[in-house]
Amino acid sequence: AQTVTQSQPEMSVQEAETVTLSCTYDTSESDYYLFWYKQPPSRQMILVIRQEAYKQQNATENRFSVNFQKAAKSFSLKISDSQLGDAAMYFCAYRLEGSGYALNFGKGTSLLVTP
Amino acid sequence: EADIYQTPRYLVIGTGKKITLECSQTMGHDKMYWYQQDPGMELHLIHYSYGVNSTEKGDLSSESTVSRIRTEHFPLTLESARPSHTSQYLCASSPISHTEAFFGQGTRLTVV
Repeated sequence: AQTVTQSQPEMSVQEAETVTLSCTYDTSESDYYLFWYKQPPSRQMILVIRQEAYKQQNATENRFSVNFQKAAKSFSLKISDSQLGDAAMYFCAYRLEGSGYALNFGKGTSLLVTP
Repeated sequence: EADIYQTPRYLVIGTGKKITLECSQTMGHDKMYWYQQDPGMELHLIHYSYGVNSTEKGDLSSESTVSRIRTEHFPLTLESARPSHTSQYLCASSPISHTEAFFGQGTRLTVV
């Protein structure tokens, strides 16, 4: 069974600083997709960044980047130049081959951004 | 912004009532999903669909049922609501390829 583990229930970062959110996963597949989603309070879940396992290059989207370590099954999210609007729950997710290719989520990390 | 809509956003209802949570998407996506999000924010897959006339149960056992008569519509029904059904319900859809899922804004259900 594929599992996704986020070991940091809460993280805090000061505005303009950098923070890294951790995620590990377990799978026997060789080709798969990993995602980071952001869920602001009472708002819609939105995609932050996506990584395809067969691509060795780490994905980057503006201030957001990942450190993908396939052998270690690690997929951390780095947020640079943190902004107040980055405060949210962040979920790491793995796309399941079964279950209609549904996303299997970690338990989430609550990110607090302080001025 | 994704074109997937859930109604109502908030619902407070009495025990024993029948309710239907609506989910519609205008993107023509084949796959659709319902997740239940508990107070600790953890997400559990409760139903999914590969396309029209396809419905499957997810990992978390749920007393709810779903239907998929049209591609764009994936409603979730509770025949007799109970306080244990109090939760946030998220609907999502994705195209057939291995891309991300798009989420609706969620329905926060409270059963009193």
